[in-house]
Amino acid sequence: ILNVEQSPQSLHVQEGDSTNFTCSFPSSNFYALHWYRWETAKSPEALFVMTLNGDEKKKGRISATLNTKEGYSYLYIKGSQPEDSATYLCASMNYGGATNKLIFGTGTLLAVQP
Amino acid sequence: KAGVTQTPRYLIKTRGQQVTLSCSPISGHRSVSWYQQTPGQGLQFLFEYFSETQRNKGNFPGRFSGRQFSNSRSEMNVSTLELGDSALYLCASSPTLGGDEQYFGPGTRLTVT
Repeated sequence: ILNVEQSPQSLHVQEGDSTNFTCSFPSSNFYALHWYRWETAKSPEALFVMTLNGDEKKKGRISATLNTKEGYSYLYIKGSQPEDSATYLCASMNYGGATNKLIFGTGTLLAVQP
Repeated sequence: KAGVTQTPRYLIKTRGQQVTLSCSPISGHRSVSWYQQTPGQGLQFLFEYFSETQRNKGNFPGRFSGRQFSNSRSEMNVSTLELGDSALYLCASSPTLGGDEQYFGPGTRLTVT
């Protein structure tokens, strides 16, 4: 059984604060780690797909790191803005047998107060 | 390029009925995956289709089935609906099988009464 866990479950920050979330995933037979942003009334939108240990990716004020040996990824948001308010989902794909599928965490709900 | 489309967007059914949901992927994408989202749960993987073949399946009962057509469009069917099947059903497409970024549709909100 594969478990992808995200923390915290929710986060309230002030505009301008920097914040980070954690995603832990099974490290065995790892293939890829995805991050998605899901805004209310919209569809989940991909932020990053990472595959290599030590990967660091950046998109504007958002960046992510990956540690496949210990099974965790961090998502950082620098200088949070109200438009960053959304649920941030991570998903792990581990290969082998019946596990070639994306397993999603339950997400971190971020609320940025102006 | 048009995004992933899903029809219908909203659906109300009664227990025991069956339902078919449709998903049209982004043009050129050959993989379509289906997910269920219920309150308090993350996205639960239902199945993935590629080249008209089911490649992966999640832990759902046999009442949940799907298929993919030669144009990559996919349908999902749920028979003998139960109250617990009330959920948002999302489909996602990607160019190839496995590991690629998923492009999600707007979802179908199914309510079973």
